[in-house]
Amino acid sequence: NAGVTQTPKFQVLKTGQSMTLQCAQDMNHEYMSWYRQDPGMGLRLIHYSVGAGITDQGEVPNGYNVSRSTTEDFPLRLLSAAPSQTSVYFCASSYGWGARNSPLHFGNGTRLTVT
Amino acid sequence: ILNVEQSPQSLHVQEGDSTNFTCSFPSSNFYALHWYRWETAKSPEALFVMTLNGDEKKKGRISATLNTKEGYSYLYIKGSQPEDSATYLCALEANDYKLSFGAGTTVTVRA
Repeated sequence: NAGVTQTPKFQVLKTGQSMTLQCAQDMNHEYMSWYRQDPGMGLRLIHYSVGAGITDQGEVPNGYNVSRSTTEDFPLRLLSAAPSQTSVYFCASSYGWGARNSPLHFGNGTRLTVT
Repeated sequence: ILNVEQSPQSLHVQEGDSTNFTCSFPSSNFYALHWYRWETAKSPEALFVMTLNGDEKKKGRISATLNTKEGYSYLYIKGSQPEDSATYLCALEANDYKLSFGAGTTVTVRA
């Protein structure tokens, strides 16, 4: 039972480089989302999707793109990495429409460092 | 994104003692209140999703109450054990498909 799978676990980028964080879930969840975790702050929503072909911005979307071509996959793209994007990134999904009444299932996180 | 506050930021409790801490949130646009446990080097795991004013949920030695009119929820740990050491997150779900997380309460249980 894989649940939510994130890759890679660790990544170091130079300023200006681009990369994609992968997220896949095998629970047939409609809702998927990306969060970043910074010291002393709560999880902050970057982007979310309520179904294939539908995405929307969260609290801190600048510098990130997403797409949802299938129910299973929700990749997060960093267009031009900046040191301010150094963080731990979590992908999370839930069953049902949006996150309504359904708990989030989290991936194991990606620790990203931008130098 | 709504302002969700958790207090205290951290606490230490002796093994066997009980403890509780608070999640405060704006009561307008309320849809649900989530609680998660986040152990070191792991990812957050759901404890409860609560929707009704006065709701009370229990999972083993952990329970939670909800007051949507005044905008707060309490999480209780009865007879704390070392394995309860974790950061406990609450998150407010409004009617816009987004969850707003608090910064968490970190609980350390001393043996």
